[in-house]
Amino acid sequence: KAGVTQTPRYLIKTRGQQVTLSCSPISGHRSVSWYQQTPGQGLQFLFEYFSETQRNKGNFPGRFSGRQFSNSRSEMNVSTLELGDSALYLCASSLAGQEGNEQFFGPGTRLTVL
Amino acid sequence: QKEVEQNSGPLSVPEGAIASLNCTYSDRGSQSFFWYRQYSGKSPELIMFIYSNGDKEDGRFTAQLNKASQYVSLLIRDSQPSDSATYLCAAPYSGGGADGLTFGKGTHLIIQP
Repeated sequence: KAGVTQTPRYLIKTRGQQVTLSCSPISGHRSVSWYQQTPGQGLQFLFEYFSETQRNKGNFPGRFSGRQFSNSRSEMNVSTLELGDSALYLCASSLAGQEGNEQFFGPGTRLTVL
Repeated sequence: QKEVEQNSGPLSVPEGAIASLNCTYSDRGSQSFFWYRQYSGKSPELIMFIYSNGDKEDGRFTAQLNKASQYVSLLIRDSQPSDSATYLCAAPYSGGGADGLTFGKGTHLIIQP
């Protein structure tokens, strides 16, 4: 069974631009969560989608948004990029979207903002 | 928001010894806990999860949960150089049945040959 895939793997943008990242979960998994990882703050939860609905949201500004499609694939968007948005963005999928379910991570998208 | 705390290390352990990694959490209502391992430049991979008080063993790994003390630990027996990585402790970000995890900042473990 294929794992979680994320595209693109690397991205370079400039301040003020916007970016869209994509995540395809493991087949059959309906929940997708997004995380930001930086050396200073570690791995931080952005939001979680289940059956096309955002059910959970972390403490990030409204510039960070996401959505999920009927096939469970998910995208996240960051508008008006700032230098501090440079990070590894990880998505994770889980089977049933219940609290405590095991999450499986994709390889991540490395975003650099210049 | 629930908080998960870990000692960042580095924790240096000789090969063959037991590595002990610790984690505390703020929310007494948390029911499940996860240990992930992350190698440098790679994404986190799940090692173990634990829901009940007590010990849970899987091969060389043992997770321990003490809900009264709000404490979770991971023991790695017969440590190998390949165990050198950052270990992340996690708990559900919020209740209500939704997914998503809050992570500690991780403990960097070094196994010395």
